Amino acid sequence: TQLLEQSPQFLSIQEGENLTVYCNSSSVFSSLQWYRQEPGEGPVLLVTVVTGGEVKKLKRLTFQFGDARKDSSLHITAAQPGDTGLYLCAGETSGSRLTFGEGTQLTVNP
Amino acid sequence: DAMVIQNPRYQVTQFGKPVTLSCSQTLNHNVMYWYQQKSSQAPKLLFHYYDKDFNNEADTPDNFQSRRPNTSFCFLDIRSPGLGDAAMYLCATSRDGFGPSEDTQYFGPGTRLTVL
Repeated sequence: TQLLEQSPQFLSIQEGENLTVYCNSSSVFSSLQWYRQEPGEGPVLLVTVVTGGEVKKLKRLTFQFGDARKDSSLHITAAQPGDTGLYLCAGETSGSRLTFGEGTQLTVNP
Repeated sequence: DAMVIQNPRYQVTQFGKPVTLSCSQTLNHNVMYWYQQKSSQAPKLLFHYYDKDFNNEADTPDNFQSRRPNTSFCFLDIRSPGLGDAAMYLCATSRDGFGPSEDTQYFGPGTRLTVL
């Protein structure tokens, strides 16, 4: 069974602070996706990373895929209350399946 | 320009009364997925269709069935809902499931199921 360990599980910070969420596995993934989910809604895709060592930026969000394609991180600079949500990483495995991390519930307080 | 549409957004059913949830997509993707998500947990894959080929997860209860009459639509049938089946049900699609750039899954907004 391929597992993705996501940390931290909960994070509560003040507006303007920086934060990093980690996603780690002993397995190699051909791609990894990050989603953000708000209460009562489906996950919304933020980014897909494919190449080992790849870095992608989406405004204040920076995503990195580890060189060995076993881990990934999401860094948010100057967090805002609108960033509040559940952040999920998901690695692509065989047979069109995604392996999800447990999620990080981020709360940004004004 | 919605891409993955789920209806209804909220569904209330009674214990043991069959219920059907609907998903449609405008992306013309080959693969459609159904997930169950309970509070504060990651989505759990129930099954998926690659075109017309049905792929069930080993631990998905027989109470859950699915139909995909055409490329655009996929249904989740819960034959006899129990209290433990109350959850958010998410539909997702991906292009064709082969190659990392083709496997990105796009989710619908979900259907929140309540079982009374």
